[in-house]
Amino acid sequence: DVVMTQSPVSLPVILGQPASISCRSSQSLIYSDGNTYLSWFQQRPGQSPRRLISKVSSRDSGVPDRFSGSGSGTDFTLKIGRVEAEDVGVYYCMQFAHWPPTFGQGTKLEIE
Amino acid sequence: EVQLVESGGDLAQPGGSLRLSCGASGFIFSDHWMDWVRQAPGKGLEWVGHIKKKSEGYATQYAASVRGRFTISRDDLKNSVYLQMNSLKIEDAAVYYCADLGTALWGQGTLVRVSP
Repeated sequence: DVVMTQSPVSLPVILGQPASISCRSSQSLIYSDGNTYLSWFQQRPGQSPRRLISKVSSRDSGVPDRFSGSGSGTDFTLKIGRVEAEDVGVYYCMQFAHWPPTFGQGTKLEIE
Repeated sequence: EVQLVESGGDLAQPGGSLRLSCGASGFIFSDHWMDWVRQAPGKGLEWVGHIKKKSEGYATQYAASVRGRFTISRDDLKNSVYLQMNSLKIEDAAVYYCADLGTALWGQGTLVRVSP
């Protein structure tokens, strides 16, 4: 299985400051169709996961533009331009370029 | 409204069985692969399995941890997907989500507890 490794595990951030989460995969996530199937999810406390980003950098409908995704191959990054209180939660990267789909272990964002 | 609603979570004994259901609305259910993803208490997300569309023979795939014990099925006329869980283990205790990982759609989850 493709191993997804996120860092950091815990991310204390001051309100209004930027934040960045790294995700590395054990294999390239470029699929045979040329797309890179790397998504980012946000899980607020007590809620279901919500997808923020698909295919590395495509923001889902309704996702604030302070969230952005970048990267290629095996190295990916989720950036939050200026953290707001509602951004508290756990963030996961996920790949489904290879079967089975696998998730990173999560990064817990908290307000410092 | 586009949504997925799970049900069927309960307390089961080790070795027992449970059947989870997930009802879909607001989209053409039969056009979508459907996934089950679980989350043990305080832990991360684990893909459980999925079922493909009718045109793909309703093919299923499972995580190694549940293969041979869990079965996913669907009823496109009822816009529903099911997860039959047999030979339950303590480590199967989790919130189970149905989702379409190809889109942004997830249900609210249903809690499965496994205890003697």
